[in-house]
Amino acid sequence: EDQVTQSPEALRLQEGESSSLNCSYTVSGLRGLFWYRQDPGKGPEFLFTLYSAGEEKEKERLKATLTKKESFLHITAPKPEDSATYLCAVHPIKAAGNKLTFGGGTRVLVKP
Amino acid sequence: KAGVTQTPRYLIKTRGQQVTLSCSPISGHRSVSWYQQTPGQGLQFLFEYFSETQRNKGNFPGRFSGRQFSNSRSEMNVSTLELGDSALYLCASSPQRGARASTDTQYFGPGTRLTVL
Repeated sequence: EDQVTQSPEALRLQEGESSSLNCSYTVSGLRGLFWYRQDPGKGPEFLFTLYSAGEEKEKERLKATLTKKESFLHITAPKPEDSATYLCAVHPIKAAGNKLTFGGGTRVLVKP
Repeated sequence: KAGVTQTPRYLIKTRGQQVTLSCSPISGHRSVSWYQQTPGQGLQFLFEYFSETQRNKGNFPGRFSGRQFSNSRSEMNVSTLELGDSALYLCASSPQRGARASTDTQYFGPGTRLTVL
């Protein structure tokens, strides 16, 4: 069964204190791995798609990396507006259609 | 380009009632997926529609159903509501240019918050 585990569940950071979020996955084959950001009461907002091990993508203070078993989301010098829940999802090769399997998310709070 | 829209944004129903939620995908997107989000279970896949056909279904009871119209708009229905159906229901659309599934990005709407009393 496809599984996605995110750690830690929650993260409290001081403004400017860089950190990394982990997404470990177990799938028979990976079509793609997605990172989303979700603010309270809103739908997930797309951040990155990664397709193969070794791939990296960056956007402002965020950088996502992918290995064969896990992905990391690095937050460099975070600001309070980076506070959100970050969700990781996988699209397995054997999944019929467009089904994504999500992890439980990491709640990030950045204090000024 | 307008994003994914969902209506209504909030709903309060009582046990035993039924409810219909609506989703309008991004213009040109042909695939619509539905997810349920709860604090305990997180985001769980309900079903996906492509070209008016259900292409995949998650592990939910038959009380949960959906459909897609020729303009790609989609509705989901929950019959005989239970307290445990209280959740944020999210719709996501993706381009899916062909019948064979590809890894297109899914873009989510704001969700419909359903409360069952």
